[in-house]
Amino acid sequence: GQSLEQPSEVTAVEGAIVQINCTYQTSGFYGLSWYQQHDGGAPTFLSYNALDGLEETGRFSSFLSRSDSYGYLLLQELQMKDSASYFCAVRDRGNRDDKIIFGKGTRLHILP
Amino acid sequence: NAGVTQTPKFRILKIGQSMTLQCTQDMNHNYMYWYRQDPGMGLKLIYYSVGAGITDKGEVPNGYNVSRSTTEDFPLRLELAAPSQTSVYFCASRREGMTDTQYFGPGTRLTVL
Repeated sequence: GQSLEQPSEVTAVEGAIVQINCTYQTSGFYGLSWYQQHDGGAPTFLSYNALDGLEETGRFSSFLSRSDSYGYLLLQELQMKDSASYFCAVRDRGNRDDKIIFGKGTRLHILP
Repeated sequence: NAGVTQTPKFRILKIGQSMTLQCTQDMNHNYMYWYRQDPGMGLKLIYYSVGAGITDKGEVPNGYNVSRSTTEDFPLRLELAAPSQTSVYFCASRREGMTDTQYFGPGTRLTVL
């Protein structure tokens, strides 16, 4: 089976840096994705890691360690608009390798 | 491109009623997905499709049915609505390729009373 674990809530201060961790367990593995969801909105894609290492996209970076089944999303120079829920997701490799499963999400609270 | 569209945006059903949630994408994506999201929770996969005529169960398929007769459309059918199906339903699509990027519709907020 598959499972993804991420913290339920994280709190940080505006302008600071915050890291949201995700550990996963899958029968196969293609890569780790991250999505952002604001209250009342739909999830939007942030980043994808298929190989070990850090991927940077502006203020957001994502890291993957395949050997540790672990990844994280790093948000720098936090802004109030970054207050949202963040989900990690994996695509399972099995009979139907196009099944994408999401973690339960991390609610990011930003303090002024 | 409109991307992924869903109708209706909101719906209230009585227990035992049926309805179809519509999902259409205009990006020619092969892969489409239905998720439900309960308040304060993550996304649970209901059904998915890897192409027209091919569908498969996800994590929580009970009480739902799908069909995929065209690449563009992936409707979700609720046959006998139950209060436990009160949720927000998201449809998503993905292009075959090197990344797992999914494009989500705006969601349908369903209440079963």
